[in-house]
Amino acid sequence: RKEVEQDPGPFNVPEGATVAFNCTYSNSASQSFFWYRQDCRKEPKLLMSVYSSGNEDGRFTAQLNRASQYISLLIRDSKLSDSATYLCVVIFVLCNNNDMRFGAGTRLTVKP
Amino acid sequence: SQTIHQWPATLVQPVGSPLSLECTVEGTSNPNLYWYRQAAGRGLQLLFYSVGIGQISSEVPQNLSASRPQDRQFILSSKKLLLSDSGFYLCAWSPQDSRYTFGSGTRLTVV
Repeated sequence: RKEVEQDPGPFNVPEGATVAFNCTYSNSASQSFFWYRQDCRKEPKLLMSVYSSGNEDGRFTAQLNRASQYISLLIRDSKLSDSATYLCVVIFVLCNNNDMRFGAGTRLTVKP
Repeated sequence: SQTIHQWPATLVQPVGSPLSLECTVEGTSNPNLYWYRQAAGRGLQLLFYSVGIGQISSEVPQNLSASRPQDRQFILSSKKLLLSDSGFYLCAWSPQDSRYTFGSGTRLTVV
């Protein structure tokens, strides 16, 4: 079983749609969770952190379910510019170093 | 503010040739530094990480090596490239709060 799993997609949605991605992780000692966005042929960039209480940033909502070991990302009112690959990131602490694991990414295409 | 620089952006190298990718960080001291590789259609794979000068840890056995000659400099090297070394290489740094920032990446094609 992979440490971090995501549905690779692609998700093809029309503008204005609401789309949700899930990500599951296997290590129950995982401590920090993030969503990164990666545009084609570019480096990943931090989109948002994921907190236990859930957090919202504009059209984006991230949630964490520790009991079921998954995190989610909800995008409302999709824009063309939201087209990208969304990477789920899980961090757990090993000794003195943070071990960061990435999902393979979920590709989103928003169409006019 | 902190910035990370990675170069070159693209590289085409023949099999058996050497490799040197450089990454530098500005605006911070004693960062944790990382080299990742992203193969087509796959997630990011951690290759090396460093918590200080001269301290390198390797995640997977491979044809590559890393060095940290200065606090904010991280170098990825190979003596002889293989076809399987092709990919997108990303340098990253993190402070203590776990937020990683990536360099712009190097797209390496071994031919």
